[in-house]
Amino acid sequence: DTGVSQDPRHKITKRGQNVTFRCDPISEHNRLYWYRQTLGQGPEFLTYFQNEAQLEKSRLLSDRFSAERPKGSFSTLEIQRTEQGDSAMYLCASSSSPSDTQYFGPGTRLTVL
Amino acid sequence: AQKITQTQPGMFVQEKEAVTLDCTYDTSDPSYGLFWYKQPSSGEMIFLIYQGSYDQQNATEGRYSLNFQKARKSANLVISASQLGDSAMYFCAMREEYSSASKIIFGSGTRLSIRP
Repeated sequence: DTGVSQDPRHKITKRGQNVTFRCDPISEHNRLYWYRQTLGQGPEFLTYFQNEAQLEKSRLLSDRFSAERPKGSFSTLEIQRTEQGDSAMYLCASSSSPSDTQYFGPGTRLTVL
Repeated sequence: AQKITQTQPGMFVQEKEAVTLDCTYDTSDPSYGLFWYKQPSSGEMIFLIYQGSYDQQNATEGRYSLNFQKARKSANLVISASQLGDSAMYFCAMREEYSSASKIIFGSGTRLSIRP
């Protein structure tokens, strides 16, 4: 049984660099979500895909952020021109009907120096 | 606007005792779902239990039960017979089924520490 996986688990980058994270959902799940979690807070919704279609984006997702799910399977989240404020845990979750319970991956911890 | 409130930033409980983690919510959506997740120090969010707003009975999953009081808009998590491995952050969360069936809104969490 494979759950949601994310790669890398940790990323340290310098301010201004671009970073890309990958999420592989549970295989039969057609819905995929990205969240961001800063220290001491609960996760905050970023964006949501149903199959390959990106159906909802939070206002937190500035134009430096882009997410894709080209074949309706894995997804990537790219952050361009990283800023120190982007330092956070980036969590991916997936779900399927009818319960739509979201199951989370281990997260990618980003540190921007 | 939907909102989740967890008023206990931290709790200490003796092993084998029961513990109640508080959660209140606010929504105008008539149909919603309430969730509890556990986040150990490793970072992964682990789904524990779900309660639908129209469910007549309180949800239970093993040692976890959800004390759902709809009129009070509360959804407290009860863990019976606590174990050392229960030490973690616990998040209450809500999904509004009509207005935004995708995203989950999380509370700020409660850090539970189990004493041996």
